[in-house]
Amino acid sequence: EVQVVESGGGLVQPGGSLRLSCAASGFTFSSYDMHWVRQATGKGLEWVSAIGTAGETYYPGSVKGRFTISRENAKNSLFLHMNSLRAGDTAVYYCARGGEAGSGSLDMDVWGKGTTVTVSS
Amino acid sequence: QSVLTQPPSVSGAPGQRVTISCTGSSSNIGAGYDVHWYQQLPGTAPKLLIYGNSNRPSGVPDRFSGSKSGTSASLAISGLQAEDEADYYCQSYDSSLTGWVFGGGTKLTVL
Repeated sequence: EVQVVESGGGLVQPGGSLRLSCAASGFTFSSYDMHWVRQATGKGLEWVSAIGTAGETYYPGSVKGRFTISRENAKNSLFLHMNSLRAGDTAVYYCARGGEAGSGSLDMDVWGKGTTVTVSS
Repeated sequence: QSVLTQPPSVSGAPGQRVTISCTGSSSNIGAGYDVHWYQQLPGTAPKLLIYGNSNRPSGVPDRFSGSKSGTSASLAISGLQAEDEADYYCQSYDSSLTGWVFGGGTKLTVL
């Protein structure tokens, strides 16, 4: 079964750091782009970061310089390192599979159940 | 303020047809980037509903259809069922922002 499972969420103080993990299974992880998408309670989806199969990374302005996405293909794992966390970063963080290398596809076809990050003192 | 604009809510009676619009600009939908749609049932993760403007993944009923024209796209749901009550999001890519963008989401209520 193709799936991704997030972990690592929790309560962190403003200014603190946290590392999220995403374990992938059922597909050739190294052949796919991967994303992090977040959703604050009662709000919409917000794309947080992406990493390509060659390791290229992308971020929106809201997290650039604070968040770092990385992948370890040998362990079928995706990570999100979050620094200088703010109350506005409080959300459920989803790991999502992007397009297969060479496909040009920019959708997200496999989603995890999410992990909750709460930034509060 | 989302880059892609969707109506906050739509509603329809069982059996009816509803459409949800997604309006972008010349740097995303109008630039030729595909539009994708996601369904988020209450308390669950988003699920890919339509990809590449009008394609359905395996298992998605043909009651769901998508289209794109110019700087806008639409999701149509025909033969509304109670289980279609959910939030729906459009998504594309924006060349000016160099990133993926979502619409603000539309809550579908089945009356």
